Amino acid sequence: KQEVTQIPAALSVPEGENLVLNCSFTDSAIYNLQWFRQDPGKGLTSLLLIQSSQREQTSGRLNASLDKSSGRSTLYIAASQPGDSATYLCASDSGGSNYKLTFGKGTLLTVNP
Amino acid sequence: DAGITQSPRHKVTETGTPVTLRCHQTENHRYMYWYRQDPGHGLRLIHYSYGVKDTDKGEVSDGYSVSRSKTEDFLLTLESATSSQTSVYFCAISGDRNEQYFGPGTRLTVT
Repeated sequence: KQEVTQIPAALSVPEGENLVLNCSFTDSAIYNLQWFRQDPGKGLTSLLLIQSSQREQTSGRLNASLDKSSGRSTLYIAASQPGDSATYLCASDSGGSNYKLTFGKGTLLTVNP
Repeated sequence: DAGITQSPRHKVTETGTPVTLRCHQTENHRYMYWYRQDPGHGLRLIHYSYGVKDTDKGEVSDGYSVSRSKTEDFLLTLESATSSQTSVYFCAISGDRNEQYFGPGTRLTVT
């Protein structure tokens, strides 16, 4: 059974700082890893999808990397802004099922002005 | 944004009553999912569908049933609601790339 862990559970940084969020997973036989953002009281917004054949994906100030062999993914946020404050979740599939995701419990990010 | 709506958005019901939540998509995606989100547990998969009339159980399916009679609609039914089913319920869809997109959620309170 896939287990996904996110460290740290919470992170507070000053505006402008570059930061890294970490995600680890126990079953390295994955097809996809997906990063989401969730604002309080809202649904999840997909940020980046990394397929197993890829090592990283970029969207604006976000860069996500994937190392299947070590069971790790990182989400890098450059030049953080107060509007980046949210909970960030990673999720991966596993066990030959490329359409069911297991989620981490998230990292609560606060960017202080 | 992916075209996913959920109804109702909020519901309060009493223990023992049946409840049906609806998820509607306009993307014609094959896969649809129901999750629940609870503090301390994160997001957990309840049921999912891989086509019309094709459904399967997820991690926490006890007490829930689903139906999918049309591509665009996926219904989640609590046959007899219990207080432990108080939660926020999210519907999600995915297509060929298996990238999942989420609806806005339904906040259900069982008193």
